[in-house]
Amino acid sequence: GENVEQHPSTLSVQEGDSAVIKCTYSDSASNYFPWYKQELGKRPQLIIDIRSNVGEKKDQRIAVTLNKTAKHFSLHITETQPEDSAVYFCAASRYKAAGNKLTFGGGTRVLVKP
Amino acid sequence: DSGVTQTPKHLITATGQRVTLRCSPRSGDLSVYWYQQSLDQGLQFLIHYYNGEERAKGNILERFSAQQFPDLHSELNLSSLELGDSALYFCASSVAAGGSDSYEQYFGPGTRLTVT
Repeated sequence: GENVEQHPSTLSVQEGDSAVIKCTYSDSASNYFPWYKQELGKRPQLIIDIRSNVGEKKDQRIAVTLNKTAKHFSLHITETQPEDSAVYFCAASRYKAAGNKLTFGGGTRVLVKP
Repeated sequence: DSGVTQTPKHLITATGQRVTLRCSPRSGDLSVYWYQQSLDQGLQFLIHYYNGEERAKGNILERFSAQQFPDLHSELNLSSLELGDSALYFCASSVAAGGSDSYEQYFGPGTRLTVT
């Protein structure tokens, strides 16, 4: 089955700096890669996603890049703010086969210091 | 608010007991996915239902079962509970089983299960 590895497990940045989280996946048939943000005790919230036919996607201060050859995708947060502090999860799935079960990475705890 | 609801928010029960967790998907969503989040295992897929039918199983124990009803709400039944079953249980909903325009999953607020 699919295996997703996520690094780093913790990330501390100064407010205004950029944060980068990296994930690798094992199943070359995976074609959908969402990122979720989870605040303490709350639900995972979808913040951005990318499909395998796209190399990069941006939404305001966040962007995701995908390298299918290397089976690697990354989340970039620019101009970080204290409210970006949370745990971020990457995930991968084959969204057209037998549903869309997500395989998650282990999570990255991001702390933005004011 | 994602539009996905889950009840109860918290559940405390003893080992050996049985509990039922309930999930109502967003209006119009036909798929319900169940995930377990524990400190040592992270977020893990349990099971997927689409329009009342089971579509995929993940790391779901035999003591656990689920179903989706005609009104599309879903229930996750956990029996013979063990201490290690203590976790956050999330459901997520999506429009369809899989398709080019319906792949986003939106999570409910979760049920925190504590087994003592």
